[in-house]
Amino acid sequence: DIQMTQSPFSLSASVGDRVTITCRASQDISTYLAWFQQKPGKAPKSLIYAASSLQSGVPSKFSGSGSGTDFSLTIISLQPEDFATYYCQQYKTYPLVFGPGTKVDIK
Amino acid sequence: EVQLVESGGGLVQPGGSLRLSCAASGFTFSDHYMDWVRQAPGKGLEWVGRIRNKANSYSTEYAASVKGRFTISRDDSKNSLYLQMNSLKTEDTAVYYCARVSRSSDFDCWGQGTLVTVSS
Repeated sequence: DIQMTQSPFSLSASVGDRVTITCRASQDISTYLAWFQQKPGKAPKSLIYAASSLQSGVPSKFSGSGSGTDFSLTIISLQPEDFATYYCQQYKTYPLVFGPGTKVDIK
Repeated sequence: EVQLVESGGGLVQPGGSLRLSCAASGFTFSDHYMDWVRQAPGKGLEWVGRIRNKANSYSTEYAASVKGRFTISRDDSKNSLYLQMNSLKTEDTAVYYCARVSRSSDFDCWGQGTLVTVSS
């Protein structure tokens, strides 16, 4: 199975900051990588697919990059509604696997 | 509006069974692959399994942790997805989400989730 890791495990940031979360796959997944946002008690929300494509309705403050094994999610100008846990996921092969998540909270 | 609504969660004893449902609306359900994803309390997301569409023979894939115990099915006439869970274990306690698979093979829509608690 492909293993997914994320760093950092958590980070504290201020409103207006730019943050970057990284995700690494244990083997080449090309660009079969998605990012999700989840707030406490809520369902995940799809943000990015194919490593860098924004889901419909997702603001351009979110961006993704990478291919192969190394990926990143960048959020610019953090707002209160962006404080959440972010997960990456590979969907190249079965079983589909999520990263452990990165919690972004308010400094 | 695309909508997925799960139901059927509840408290069940270890070794018991439960059937979850996911009602879909706002899109052509029969065209899409559909998945189940779960999240144990305080933990991350875990993929459970997938069912493909009629064009792909309604074939299925499962995570190793549930294979042989869980069965995914669908009724396109009712725009509904199902998860039959048998031989439940305490470690199956989780919120279960259904998710739509897009034509790009990613998840583009999620339900709100239903809680399954396996406990004596």
